[in-house]
Amino acid sequence: KQEVTQIPAALSVPEGENLVLNCSFTDSAIYNLQWFRQDPGKGLTSLLLIQSSQREQTSGRLNASLDKSSGRSTLYIAASQPGDSATYLCAPQDGTLTFGKGTMLLVSP
Amino acid sequence: GEEVAQTPKHLVRGEGQKAKLYCAPIKGHSYVFWYQQVLKNEFKFLISFQNENVFDETGMPKERFSAKCLPNSPCSLEIQATKLEDSAVYFCASSQSSERGYEQYFGPGTRLTVT
Repeated sequence: KQEVTQIPAALSVPEGENLVLNCSFTDSAIYNLQWFRQDPGKGLTSLLLIQSSQREQTSGRLNASLDKSSGRSTLYIAASQPGDSATYLCAPQDGTLTFGKGTMLLVSP
Repeated sequence: GEEVAQTPKHLVRGEGQKAKLYCAPIKGHSYVFWYQQVLKNEFKFLISFQNENVFDETGMPKERFSAKCLPNSPCSLEIQATKLEDSAVYFCASSQSSERGYEQYFGPGTRLTVT
């Protein structure tokens, strides 16, 4: 059974900082991995999808990496902004998504 | 449509009552997934469909939960005789495929409160 761990559970940073969110998973037999953000009381917004054959995926200020063999993924956010404040969820997919508990990010002005 | 639609947004049921939730996937997506988010970030996979056929139901509580995806109708998730522990946000997602490379797109969720 896939287990996903996200570290840190919570992070508070001043605006402008670069930051890294970590995700580890126990079963490397995955098709891909998605990173989502969830704003309070809202649904999930897909940020990035990395296929199992890829090492990195970039979208704007976001960069996600995947090391499938070691069961790790990181989400790098450059030049953080208050609008980035949300919970970030990592979810490897083997047909269904298995979610971590997320990293709650607060970016203060 | 271009987005996954879920109705209702909120649903309140007394313990023991029935609850029925609906999901319209993105047009052209043949896979539908249901997830349950209990507490803050505890997501649990419930069931998935390929068109109208059950694809994976390993997360589905067998006794009180049922789901359908019928042609030309929204998919539905039904909970018979709700319990307090069923209080959660239920998310529906759709995808072109369950296999590699295909993103799952999530709806806004239905918040079920059982009193």
